[in-house]
Amino acid sequence: NAGVTQTPKFRILKIGQSMTLQCAQDMNHNYMYWYRQDPGMGLKLIYYSVGAGITDKGEVPNGYNVSRSTTEDFPLRLELAAPSQTSVYFCASRSVQETQYFGPGTRLLVL
Amino acid sequence: DQQVKQNSPSLSVQEGRISILNCDYTNSMFDYFLWYKKYPAEGPTFLISISSIKDKNEDGRFTVFLNKSAKHLSLHIVPSQPGDSAVYFCAASLSGGYNKLIFGAGTRLAVHP
Repeated sequence: NAGVTQTPKFRILKIGQSMTLQCAQDMNHNYMYWYRQDPGMGLKLIYYSVGAGITDKGEVPNGYNVSRSTTEDFPLRLELAAPSQTSVYFCASRSVQETQYFGPGTRLLVL
Repeated sequence: DQQVKQNSPSLSVQEGRISILNCDYTNSMFDYFLWYKKYPAEGPTFLISISSIKDKNEDGRFTVFLNKSAKHLSLHIVPSQPGDSAVYFCAASLSGGYNKLIFGAGTRLAVHP
């Protein structure tokens, strides 16, 4: 199993550009999550999904969108990138009985 | 409003000694607590957890203690090893909350030979 994979590893965006951060898991987990981690801070939940077709907002959803068309994939969309979205983004997944497994992260810089 | 706080940004310990990492929380409704370990350029990995119905959970060199009245938990690592050098995050969740985790800011542990 590859576990949770995220692409890209690193990206530089200009203000106002858009991009999609990809997340995939091969563990057949129903639950998936997107977090962001700012320097010196803990991870904050952006969006989560409890299954294909079902998503909901976390603590810091503004400026982001998600979709969950399959069990495996949970992409995070930034429509109009802003400097405040410079962060490291982590995707995670879990089954009902387990704790969350995290991907390696995507480092995003918005200039 | 930080619901989960790790007030020590860093901790330095000699190899073989005990490392104690602390975490405080404000929401008395939290009923599940976890510790994650994070190496640079990697995602967090689960280390150990404790339910609010317990006050101690042990897994090898790692022990987590929970003091509900003080809203405080701690992670003990005995003996500490250089490979334990990492950032440790405390996290809390509510049952029925789809396991949405609230994280502390992390403590960077450095274990010196």
